[in-house]
Amino acid sequence: KQEVTQIPAALSVPEGENLVLNCSFTDSAIYNLQWFRQDPGKGLTSLLLIQSSQREQTSGRLNASLDKSSGRSTLYIAASQPGDSATYLCAVSEGNQGGKLIFGQGTELSVKP
Amino acid sequence: NAGVTQTPKFRILKIGQSMTLQCTQDMNHNYMYWYRQDPGMGLKLIYYSVGAGITDKGEVPNGYNVSRSTTEDFPLRLELAAPSQTSVYFCASSRDSVVHEQYFGPGTRLTVT
Repeated sequence: KQEVTQIPAALSVPEGENLVLNCSFTDSAIYNLQWFRQDPGKGLTSLLLIQSSQREQTSGRLNASLDKSSGRSTLYIAASQPGDSATYLCAVSEGNQGGKLIFGQGTELSVKP
Repeated sequence: NAGVTQTPKFRILKIGQSMTLQCTQDMNHNYMYWYRQDPGMGLKLIYYSVGAGITDKGEVPNGYNVSRSTTEDFPLRLELAAPSQTSVYFCASSRDSVVHEQYFGPGTRLTVT
């Protein structure tokens, strides 16, 4: 059974720091991996989607990498800002059950001014 | 283009009551999903649909029912509400199950007492 783990559960950094969020999964037979942002009391916003055949995706200050063989993904945030404070969730799709996503528990990020 | 909309935003139910959570998307997506998120946890799939008239169970379907009579709408029905169904419910949609990301609604916060 696929399990997704995110470490750390919470992270606090000063503004301007570059940081890395980690996501690991137990079964490498995935179709894609998505990173989401969730603000308190809000829905999820898709940040990046990496297909299983890809190694990384970039959007602005965000870069996500995928290493299927080791079951790991990282989300790199450059020059962090207070507005980046949120919970970041990673999720994998195995392609079955309509492409259902299996989520990690999230990393709560706080960027201090 | 409103994306994925959900109503209501909040609801308190008494044990044994029933209700329908509404979900509508205006992106002409074939795939739609219902997830629940318990405090401090990732999301789990309740039901999904790959097109109008087609629905199937996800990971945690017990106590819920769905229907998909149109491409746009995917309501979730709770029969005989129980305290274990206290959660935040998210509806999502996607163009397909592999290549494109899932878009999420703002969520419905449900409390059963």
